[in-house]
Amino acid sequence: ILNVEQSPQSLHVQEGDSTNFTCSFPSSNFYALHWYRWETAKSPEALFVMTLNGDEKKKGRISATLNTKEGYSYLYIKGSQPEDSATYLCAFDNQGGKLIFGQGTELSVKP
Amino acid sequence: DTGVSQDPRHKITKRGQNVTFRCDPISEHNRLYWYRQTLGQGPEFLTYFQNEAQLEKSRLLSDRFSAERPKGSFSTLEIQRTEQGDSAMYLCASSLRQGAREKLFFGSGTQLSVL
Repeated sequence: ILNVEQSPQSLHVQEGDSTNFTCSFPSSNFYALHWYRWETAKSPEALFVMTLNGDEKKKGRISATLNTKEGYSYLYIKGSQPEDSATYLCAFDNQGGKLIFGQGTELSVKP
Repeated sequence: DTGVSQDPRHKITKRGQNVTFRCDPISEHNRLYWYRQTLGQGPEFLTYFQNEAQLEKSRLLSDRFSAERPKGSFSTLEIQRTEQGDSAMYLCASSLRQGAREKLFFGSGTQLSVL
């Protein structure tokens, strides 16, 4: 059974704080690692698809890094804003046809 | 194209009843996925299609669950003889699997409550 773990499970920060969370995945048979943002009452939306060891991706104030050899990825949010409040999901692709999701990190940003 | 759409958004049913959900993917997408999500958990894989072919179904999935994608476009997910444990958000997603590593586009989900 493939296991994808995310930590922390939830996070409460003040507006302006920078934050980061972790996704751990199997280091064998790696094909791709996805990050999604899921806001309440909306659909999950893709942030990044990462494929190469050492990859770094950035979208505005959000960035992600990838270490396939040790099986982890970090998601960083710089200067959190209330609109960043959402559940952040990572998903592992071993080319088996489907994505295996972690349980998510629920981020709450207070003004 | 407005993206992936799911119908209904909410479904309340009594235990033992059958329910059917529909998903319309983005029109040019050949891959379609069904996931289930319960509170505090990430989306759990149920099944996926490439065009009209069902390529994989989760081994954890009861025989009460069946999915179809008859013409390679929309898909339906049916749950027979629903149980309270079936209460969850059912998510549909689609992707264009050209060379893989394509991101998924999700619908808004169908929230099922079994009383």
